[in-house]
Parts: sequence; structure tokens; C-alpha cells
Amino acid sequence: KAGVTQTPRYLIKTRGQQVTLSCSPISGHRSVSWYQQTPGQGLQFLFEYFSETQRNKGNFPGRFSGRQFSNSRSEMNVSTLELGDSALYLCASSPMFGGTDTQYFGPGTRLTVL
Amino acid sequence: LAKTTQPISMDSYEGQEVNITCSHNNIATNDYITWYQQFPSQGPRFIIQGYKTKVTNEVASLFIPADRKSSTLSLPRVSLSDTAVYYCLVGNTGTASKLTFGTGTRLQVTL
Repeated sequence: KAGVTQTPRYLIKTRGQQVTLSCSPISGHRSVSWYQQTPGQGLQFLFEYFSETQRNKGNFPGRFSGRQFSNSRSEMNVSTLELGDSALYLCASSPMFGGTDTQYFGPGTRLTVL
Repeated sequence: LAKTTQPISMDSYEGQEVNITCSHNNIATNDYITWYQQFPSQGPRFIIQGYKTKVTNEVASLFIPADRKSSTLSLPRVSLSDTAVYYCLVGNTGTASKLTFGTGTRLQVTL
């Protein structure tokens, strides 16, 4: 079974631009979570989607948004990029929402903001 | 949200057993404890999960005392390829608390 895929793997943008990252979960998984990883803050939760609905949201500004499609694929968008948004953005999928399901992570998208 | 504390780094020689402890004093009743391994430029990889007492799988053991305020990941006979960052995660799916990662422990294994 194919793992979680994220595209693109690397991205370079300039301040003020916006960016869209994509995540395809493991086949059959319906829950998708997004994380931001930086050397200073570590792994921080952004949001989680299940059945096309945002179920949980982390403590990030409104510039960070996401959505999930009917096939469980998810996208996250960051508008008006700032230098501090440079990070590894990780997507994780799990079968359902609730319970003890393990999260399976993708390889991440490395975003660099210049 | 449950907050976790782990040692920043640990060193070990190949073949030794490594124990990494995570403190989570305000763990909630319905929270589980999960450990992940992460290599550079890769996403975290699930190692083991438990609620209480001891859990063992083919790669690790997880020890959780009765009060559940801490947990210990035990890696038997580490090899060079176990050099990675290990994260303790406390929470449960269904709430945002599932998603609180610790700072991670950087394990360096040498010959």
C-alpha cells in the first residue's frame, strides 16, 4: 500500500506570496493532519481534517488554512508568506477520527521563504 | 494540552540498550502515549503506542508506570541506523491534544 505523499517536496517563495501544499493520504485513510516543523519550535500541529471538515485547529494565524476533498486528499494554503514560515510542512494520515489510530507521516514539503 | 519533557540528546554505543524517558505530568485519562522516530528530512515514523503498563513490539518496548506521568521507550541493542530523533506524543485522536509532540531526543549511536 502506498504511503502518504506530499507535493511538492521543495518550494521556494518570497515574502508576501502565497503557497499551496498538497497531501494524498494512504488509501482508505480519512483523517489528515498537518504539522509545521522548525528547528526552534519543533513539531507543531496546524489542523486536522476528517470527512472534508476541519475537526481540530492548532494555534496558528488565519493565514494558514486548509481543506480536504471528498477523496480525502488535502491541501493547505499559506497566504502572505513571512520569513518565519520557512519550515518543513508534514502531513499525516490515519484511518479514522477518534480512538488510538496511529498517524502515518509523509516526507514533508520543505518551504523556504526569501 | 498535555506537555511532554524529554532529554535533548543521548549517546550510546552500538549493541547497547537505550532507554529514553518522557515526562507528561498532566496526561489526561483518555490520552495515549505514542513514540515516533524521525530521520533528517523525513516524516516521523511510528514506533510504539501504549496506555499503561508495558507494551512490546518487534522494535521496542514501552514502559508506563501506574500514575502514567512518565513513560520510557526502550530500544534493545541499538545499531548505527537507530541514530535519529525520538519524539514522545501524548494525547488521543479526536481532540487537538493528540497532536502535542515533545521536543524530541536526539539519539546518537556510535561504534
